[in-house]
Amino acid sequence: GQNIDQPTEMTATEGAIVQINCTYQTSGFNGLFWYQQHAGEAPTFLSYNVLDGLEEKGRFSSFLSRSKGYSYLLLKELQMKDSASYLCAVMDSNYQLIWGAGTKLIIKP
Amino acid sequence: DADVTQTPRNRITKTGKRIMLECSQTKGHDRMYWYRQDPGLGLRLIYYSFDVKDINKGEISDGYSVSRQAQAKFSLSLESAIPNQTALYFCATSERDRDTGELFFGEGSRLTVL
Repeated sequence: GQNIDQPTEMTATEGAIVQINCTYQTSGFNGLFWYQQHAGEAPTFLSYNVLDGLEEKGRFSSFLSRSKGYSYLLLKELQMKDSASYLCAVMDSNYQLIWGAGTKLIIKP
Repeated sequence: DADVTQTPRNRITKTGKRIMLECSQTKGHDRMYWYRQDPGLGLRLIYYSFDVKDINKGEISDGYSVSRQAQAKFSLSLESAIPNQTALYFCATSERDRDTGELFFGEGSRLTVL
């Protein structure tokens, strides 16, 4: 079966750095996505990785290792507005998205 | 105004009732999707459509039907609602042939079936 694993909840301090991990087992691989979802709102696109390595976009970076079936989202200089759920999703060989359950990130002052 | 609009945003109904959730988009995208989101679970695909004449079942299509009335409109129907269809429903769109396959979501429709 296909599976995406990510921690259910994480807590971090304002101004700090946090890394949210995602491991996957899917039928094929055509890219990995990270989305942000604030409570009660729609998910919004953060990043896309299809090749190994680190993609940096402002305070957010996303890393992929296809051989390990592993990705992480790195958030730097945390702000209170970063409190949200972070969803990992993998596009399989049929170009279908398989979604993780999401990681709820709580930022404390 | 939102690029992907869902109506209604909230609905409470009773078991056995027919419910329609509507989605319209102004992004000009060919591809549209319906997902449901339940606490502790990932987004699950119900149906998707790559153009007006193309409708495909997703992971959990049983108990649901859809209609793609136009490029901009994609409706989800629950013919006879049951309590385990209580969930947050999202419509999404994406561009054809875009490498990243980025999805653009509507604001969600919260459905409660009593």
